[in-house]
Order: sequence, then structure tokens, then C-alpha cells
Amino acid sequence: GQQVMQIPQYQHVQEGEDFTTYCNSSTTLSNIQWYKQRPGGHPVFLIQLVKSGEVKKQKRLTFQFGEAKKNSSLHITATQTTDVGTYFCAGRRGNTPLVFGKGTRLSVIA
Amino acid sequence: NAGVMQNPRHLVRRRGQEARLRCSPMKGHSHVYWYRQLPEEGLKFMVYLQKENIIDESGMPKERFSAEFPKEGPSILRIQQVVRGDSAAYFCASSLSPGQGAAGANVLTFGAGSRLTVL
Repeated sequence: GQQVMQIPQYQHVQEGEDFTTYCNSSTTLSNIQWYKQRPGGHPVFLIQLVKSGEVKKQKRLTFQFGEAKKNSSLHITATQTTDVGTYFCAGRRGNTPLVFGKGTRLSVIA
Repeated sequence: NAGVMQNPRHLVRRRGQEARLRCSPMKGHSHVYWYRQLPEEGLKFMVYLQKENIIDESGMPKERFSAEFPKEGPSILRIQQVVRGDSAAYFCASSLSPGQGAAGANVLTFGAGSRLTVL
């Protein structure tokens, strides 16, 4: 079945450093979504990418969808303590349910 | 405009008892999904339902687990004869009808989760 892999599993950064998490799918995706889950919280939708090669920005966050629509990345510039949490990518083929990666847990040291 | 409502937020059961988790989707959403999350793990898809219809239950264990989304009332995830390995957070999410091109149709809105502890 469809698999979505995410690396790294954990990332510890100093406040102000950049952070990137990578997502790879075993199959071509219709779209990819990113969610953030704060410690003890629930996943919250961040963004959806649909087009091949698409790049979207939300303030310090930059999201990319690969040309082959099989990989994606999330880059955070100048991390802040409010960025702490686990970032999940989730991919979908057609109308199948979203398949989530295992997430990258980000810790930010002030 | 209430979001996805899940209850109970915390549930403690002894081995062999039954657990019932309820989920009311966001207003206007017709599709419900259940995901399970073990500590420090990702979200594992369990089941996808529409009113009175199971669309995809490929992630549901074959035994002891069942889900429904009746015409009236919330969606229910039922776990019979719970075992310690069932201890996890169970998240419900809802969406508009996916794949129909409406803005945000594919986006999941999650509830706060129900955390099940089996003693």
C-alpha cells in the first residue's frame, strides 16, 4: 500500500536556526498536506500543495512539492519557540484517505 | 461555529471492557475519519465513513473494532474487549466531500482526540 516517509524523526535546533523536514511517498500523489501538532494537542492543517513543483510560503514557512509529485519539504527560517511541535506530511492518491508520515518532532532551544 | 467535537477526552478501561468513542463532525462536513496515534508515533488511518456508510475500513483491525456514522447522531468508534495495546489517542477528523473540487474539500479538521488508557 501507499507509504509516506518523513525524515528526520527528531530535530533539535537553537532558536534562530533554520529547520527542514522532508517527506517522500512510494507513489505519485494527487496532493500533499502538512499539519502541525503541538505537544498534547491535535493536528492542525497548515497547507495543501497540488501542482507539480509548487512552492508556497506562510511567513517563515516555505513548502515545496516535488516535480514528480512524490516528495515534499517544509522549511522554517529562523525558528522560534512557538514553532515547537510535530510536523506531519500527509499524501493522498485520488479519493483515498490521507496517509500520514510519522512526523518530525521539532524542539527549539531558547 | 463548533469544530469537531470528540468525547470523552479521556477514558480509562480495564482489560476486557468496552470503549466507545464519539465524534460529531464540523457543521457542514459529511465525511468522518478515525485515526489512531500511539505515543510519539504518527497518525494511523483506521476508517472513513459517510452518513450510514463505511467508505474505507482498510485500517481497522478485523476483530474487536467497529465504527458507525448513523443518520442521526455522532460517529462512534467501538472497541470491544480492550487490551493494553489499545491504549492510544484516537483522533476523529471531518471534511467536506473530498474530490469534488470545492475549496478545502480535501482538508481534514481534527478533534481534540480521545485518550484511551487500558489498565
